[in-house]
Amino acid sequence: GAGVSQSPSNKVTEKGKDVELRCDPISGHTALYWYRQSLGQGLEFLIYFQGNSAPDKSGLPSDRFSAERTGGSVSTLTIQRTQQEDSAVYLCASSLASLAGTDTQYFGPGTRLTVL
Amino acid sequence: GQNIDQPTEMTATEGAIVQINCTYQTSGFNGLFWYQQHAGEAPTFLSYNVLDGLEEKGRFSSFLSRSKGYSYLLLKELQMKDSASYLCAVMDSNYQLIWGAGTKLIIKP
Repeated sequence: GAGVSQSPSNKVTEKGKDVELRCDPISGHTALYWYRQSLGQGLEFLIYFQGNSAPDKSGLPSDRFSAERTGGSVSTLTIQRTQQEDSAVYLCASSLASLAGTDTQYFGPGTRLTVL
Repeated sequence: GQNIDQPTEMTATEGAIVQINCTYQTSGFNGLFWYQQHAGEAPTFLSYNVLDGLEEKGRFSSFLSRSKGYSYLLLKELQMKDSASYLCAVMDSNYQLIWGAGTKLIIKP
């Protein structure tokens, strides 16, 4: 596609429920990143996928968070048993090939998650 | 540890020039990025520096000094639409982007 897309744009859920957030990267981009951003804060790295390599999960805050990337394209971020502190904007970014050198990450519009 | 420092907030006047500084301490260096983020929107790419010196792109310029661990973003002829947060990010030796918390720039008429 023309850019990174994410869905839903907004998600309101009750504490304890599971949520799934989706990211469609730019076609041909092999690297995909998930970040979250709390109000007025900087970006917090969550997880990184590069091609068929094992993902870098070092930023996931707890075992309630998981992500997968099917077919090297679409990715879903799953948060189980959501807590109020999970409320944030979840941003997805993709880039051509991080390991080949430095390249630009292009961001999707984000999913605003509110846990009541 | 890895650290990116930039001012939390700056105020400038429409038509003026503003310089946003960023200092960094990272494990390795593979380039420095500046992104612009309007309120409620995703970050958008502005510039990339990997060699020392000044990169100019229209009204925006970015400078890097690797020996000093320092960069700045220079915005000229400020317009009201430049009101946004400006994020500094450094790519470390593992090609991971380390992000600063961002500088909120307020433009006054």
